[in-house]
Amino acid sequence: NAGVTQTPKFRILKIGQSMTLQCTQDMNHNYMYWYRQDPGMGLKLIYYSVGAGITDKGEVPNGYNVSRSTTEDFPLRLELAAPSQTSVYFCASRGRVDTEAFFGQGTRLTVV
Amino acid sequence: AQSVTQLDSQVPVFEEAPVELRCNYSSSVSVYLFWYVQYPNQGLQLLLKYLSGSTLVKSINGFEAEFNKSQTSFHLRKPSVHISDTAEYFCAVTIYSSASKIIFGSGTRLSIRP
Repeated sequence: NAGVTQTPKFRILKIGQSMTLQCTQDMNHNYMYWYRQDPGMGLKLIYYSVGAGITDKGEVPNGYNVSRSTTEDFPLRLELAAPSQTSVYFCASRGRVDTEAFFGQGTRLTVV
Repeated sequence: AQSVTQLDSQVPVFEEAPVELRCNYSSSVSVYLFWYVQYPNQGLQLLLKYLSGSTLVKSINGFEAEFNKSQTSFHLRKPSVHISDTAEYFCAVTIYSSASKIIFGSGTRLSIRP
């Protein structure tokens, strides 16, 4: 019963490098989300998806891209890493809008 | 735009004392309301939720929250806290008209002193 799985758990990037944060869920949820968490700032929504092939921007989408080719997977792409992208990233999913979201364990990203 | 405000960034309390974590939201339409808890180095997990019906909702570990529509609030309370309640607590809303999104508050760090 895996739930929401994020990889990697930790990563250090150099400025200008790119990477993909992986997120997969095994609950057949339609809704998936990417958040970043910075100290004292709560969670800010980066991108979300309401189903395979459908994505939309959240509050802080600049510098990120997403795709949703399957129900299970929702990868987040950083093209040109910047120090401002140092954060903890959480992926979440939920089946219906009146149910809770299930979160992954997070990816701690440092850009130096 | 919709928003969620958690009025206290940190709340220190003594063990076995009562606690209230405050949450206010702004929305002109109906909402679903949630409280999540985050233990150190973990993801968030649901504590309790309000969808409709009784305005007082309870969790299995003694927390409760009351939805107040006129005050647009959803404060979280516990009559007697335990060391194990040390965590960060997030209030969140889903707006009916934009039901896909979940908007989170900035969080309240609850620290329990023995």
